[in-house]
Amino acid sequence: NAGVTQTPKFRILKIGQSMTLQCAQDMNHNYMYWYRQDPGMGLKLIYYSVGAGITDKGEVPNGYNVSRSTTEDFPLRLELAAPSQTSVYFCASTTRTGRGGLNTEAFFGQGTRLTVV
Amino acid sequence: GENVEQHPSTLSVQEGDSAVIKCTYSDSASNYFPWYKQELGKRPQLIIDIRSNVGEKKDQRIAVTLNKTAKHFSLHITETQPEDSAVYFCAAMTPGTYKYIFGTGTRLKVLA
Repeated sequence: NAGVTQTPKFRILKIGQSMTLQCAQDMNHNYMYWYRQDPGMGLKLIYYSVGAGITDKGEVPNGYNVSRSTTEDFPLRLELAAPSQTSVYFCASTTRTGRGGLNTEAFFGQGTRLTVV
Repeated sequence: GENVEQHPSTLSVQEGDSAVIKCTYSDSASNYFPWYKQELGKRPQLIIDIRSNVGEKKDQRIAVTLNKTAKHFSLHITETQPEDSAVYFCAAMTPGTYKYIFGTGTRLKVLA
């Protein structure tokens, strides 16, 4: 049972480079999220998706892009990397359950530690 | 949009004592309040959650209380153990937004 899988685990980028952080889940969850966690800080929502083909901005979307072509995958794209994007990035997914569509636990990937130098 | 404040940012307790972490939220429509534990270098994992139709929920040594009128909820850990040392995050979700908004975290240290 893989859950939420993120790749890579670590990456060092030079200023101005681009990269894609990969996230895949095998739980058939509709809802997926990207968070960043700066050292000693909380989780800030970058982008989220409520289903294939639907994405929306979170609290800190500038400098990032996402796509959701399938239910399973939710990649995060960094264009023109900047030192301010040095952080740990977490992908998460969740579903809703029951007749009322109740919110449930969000499952997190193991994180991607990104350093921009 | 929803905003979640969490206090304290750090908390040290003696082993065996209780620990309490408090969060306040801004959107009175929020109806789901999970708590996550994040050990050093690990991913956040759910430890307990509460819905707005319940005032308190317990699971062994941990409990969560919710005061909808005051828009705050708290995590209570009794008989703390060294393995409880971690960062704890509260979160809130508002119906229809599909977004988990997290608090800033509390670093709990349990001193042996």
